[in-house]
Amino acid sequence: QVQLVESGGGVVQPGKSLRLSCAAAEFTFSNYAMHWIRQTPGKGLEWVAFISHNGSNYLYADSVTGRFTISRDNSKNRLFLQMNNLRPEDTALYHCAKGLHSGSWSFDYWGQGTLVTVSS
Amino acid sequence: EIVLTQTPRSLSVTPGQPASISCRSSQSLLHSTGYTFFYWYLQKPGQPPQPLIYEVSNRFSGVPDRFSGSGSGTDFTLKISRVEAEDVGIYYCMQSKYLPTFGQGTKLEIK
Repeated sequence: QVQLVESGGGVVQPGKSLRLSCAAAEFTFSNYAMHWIRQTPGKGLEWVAFISHNGSNYLYADSVTGRFTISRDNSKNRLFLQMNNLRPEDTALYHCAKGLHSGSWSFDYWGQGTLVTVSS
Repeated sequence: EIVLTQTPRSLSVTPGQPASISCRSSQSLLHSTGYTFFYWYLQKPGQPPQPLIYEVSNRFSGVPDRFSGSGSGTDFTLKISRVEAEDVGIYYCMQSKYLPTFGQGTKLEIK
C-alpha cells in the first residue's frame, strides 16, 4: 500500500519561511510525478505544485509562484516544498500526492497532510 | 482557471438507495489526445481524499462497482447504485486538462 507521510508544518509569522517534506514508501518513487495540494475549510482543495518524476518539469499555482519551490530527492524517496514569504492566506493542511505516471497532472494516493499556520 | 461546480452541495441518503452527484466545468475537458482528464475523489471523515474514478468513467483499483462515473465535455455525474454507511464523506470532482482544480465538494450523509 502506497505510503506518503508529510512533515515540517507548524506556526510561522508572515514573511517567514518553512520547508515541508513528504516521505514516500511502497512504490517506485522515481517513476512518478508528485504534487502538493492544500486544504482549508473555507476554500476547500487547492492544487499548489507539480514536479515530474525526474524533477525536470515543475508547475505552480499562480497564488504561490515566485514564493514556493517544489523539489525532490529520488535517492531518498522524498518530496519537498520550500515556502518563502508566507502569507496568512497560505494557512492550510498541505498534502503530498502521487501522480498517476511520470509526468501526470493527475494523482491518486494522498498523504494525511501537515498543518501550516501563518499568523503573527 | 477552470471552475468546477458541484450539485448538490449536500445530500442525505437512506442505505440501499441510489445517489447522484453532478459536476459542471466552465470549459470542455476533452483533450486533443481524446482523453478527458476528469476525476472523482472521496474524503472520508478524518482521512485524506481517496481516488474513486479516473478519466470520467474508470474505477481506480479496489473501488466497489456500485460507484460509476459518466459524462463528457463539461457535464459529469457520479452515481452510487446502492449507498452504504461507509460511503459517507465529501465527494470532490477534479480536472487536470489544465492546471488541476477541484469542485467545492458534496457532503453525503446517511439518513
